Amino acid sequence: DQQVKQNSPSLSVQEGRISILNCDYTNSMFDYFLWYKKYPAEGPTFLISISSIKDKNEDGRFTVFLNKSAKHLSLHIVPSQPGDSAVYFCATASSGGSYIPTFGRGTSLIVHP
Amino acid sequence: DTGVSQNPRHKITKRGQNVTFRCDPISEHNRLYWYRQTLGQGPEFLTYFQNEAQLEKSRLLSDRFSAERPKGSFSTLEIQRTEQGDSAMYLCASSPLSAFGELFFGSGTQLSVL
Repeated sequence: DQQVKQNSPSLSVQEGRISILNCDYTNSMFDYFLWYKKYPAEGPTFLISISSIKDKNEDGRFTVFLNKSAKHLSLHIVPSQPGDSAVYFCATASSGGSYIPTFGRGTSLIVHP
Repeated sequence: DTGVSQNPRHKITKRGQNVTFRCDPISEHNRLYWYRQTLGQGPEFLTYFQNEAQLEKSRLLSDRFSAERPKGSFSTLEIQRTEQGDSAMYLCASSPLSAFGELFFGSGTQLSVL
């Protein structure tokens, strides 16, 4: 039973447009939410995070939104660049779980020039 | 390069053989994690160390798997009597004590069991 769900295996976007990646979670005990990016033949790289006390966190072109009532978070990339093409993993963590992240299956983002 | 280092990058073995992987974390990081990733899936948690103490193991972790972190530095992950279902990318990560899930991953060891 997946606790973190990324229902879109892939997303294709034109360069310069917005990319929106979505994630749903089931456990309301999660209090920290993260996005990782992974290029082929490399390990995942931490991208951005948000705690449960916030509903938005922004870092340059990347913004994460959290909707606790819907148990949903999203990552917005504006403007999208070809170098953003990668697999994006949503992850959740909790103080009760020693902040060990639980990952979704990932969404493969392709940004076309 | 002060990132997380994993060796070997690739390992091909025959079913029934034992394999051992090594992970060198970022030197000042107290926490070390092992994850496994198969095609089309996200990283799946295996086990976690704080310094030399193994504090948590996944219930999914078979007793054929064992991990150590002597002296709280590098870590090894051993798989005994490998099975074809063990074929996966094995990822090591490290983090400081203050992390809230922000891990630094190595490039992984790709295991193929024939």
